[in-house]
Amino acid sequence: SSELTQPPSVSVSPGQTARITCSGDALPTKYAYWYQQKSGQAPVLVIYEDNKRPSGIPERFSGSSSGTMATLTISGAQVEDEADYYCSTTDSSGDQYVFGGGTKVTVL
Amino acid sequence: EVQLVASGGGSVQPGGSLRLSCAASGFTFSSYWMHWVRQTPGKGLMWVSRTNSDGSSTSYADSVKGRFTISRDNAETTLYLEMNNLRAEDTAVYSCARGGVGTAPHPFDYWGLGTMVTVSS
Repeated sequence: SSELTQPPSVSVSPGQTARITCSGDALPTKYAYWYQQKSGQAPVLVIYEDNKRPSGIPERFSGSSSGTMATLTISGAQVEDEADYYCSTTDSSGDQYVFGGGTKVTVL
Repeated sequence: EVQLVASGGGSVQPGGSLRLSCAASGFTFSSYWMHWVRQTPGKGLMWVSRTNSDGSSTSYADSVKGRFTISRDNAETTLYLEMNNLRAEDTAVYSCARGGVGTAPHPFDYWGLGTMVTVSS
């Protein structure tokens, strides 16, 4: 099955740019999805199909994907962006989903 | 407002069974693919299973295949997960998530908070 690798943690100062990477062999041919999970809350979709932002997600969240790596960028990170972020994709069949291990983003 | 409320979790011995439910509201349940995802503190998120909109097609993670069964009742707008032969490694918070309409794959655009399943002797 496919695997996705994320850095365990990323730290950034308020107003700076945070970049979270996600690497996996399926990414050249499958979309990447990104989820934000704050403590005690359900995950929230922040990026789908590599770079699309759902309604209500701030413009400072953007996504890109090239080759075996997808990247979530938070431009001008805010304190309220502190959360765990998970990337996800599907396997080669498109029928099973896989998540990365998650990245804890600290804004301070 | 989309709401997904999971229930049915609890403590069970290895080899035991549980049936989880996810009550959905705020959207046309019968149009959407639905998923179960579990989360453990040490291992993050893991996709468990999905069903298409009418329940005629299902898929499972390899680690639960043959032990778990996903189903749905569109009239009752409820998603189910029947879990048999439970193992310690199945211990997790189980959440339901909404997929999309039509041909997959879809992102999970709404998630419920989940119900805790503990498998221990």
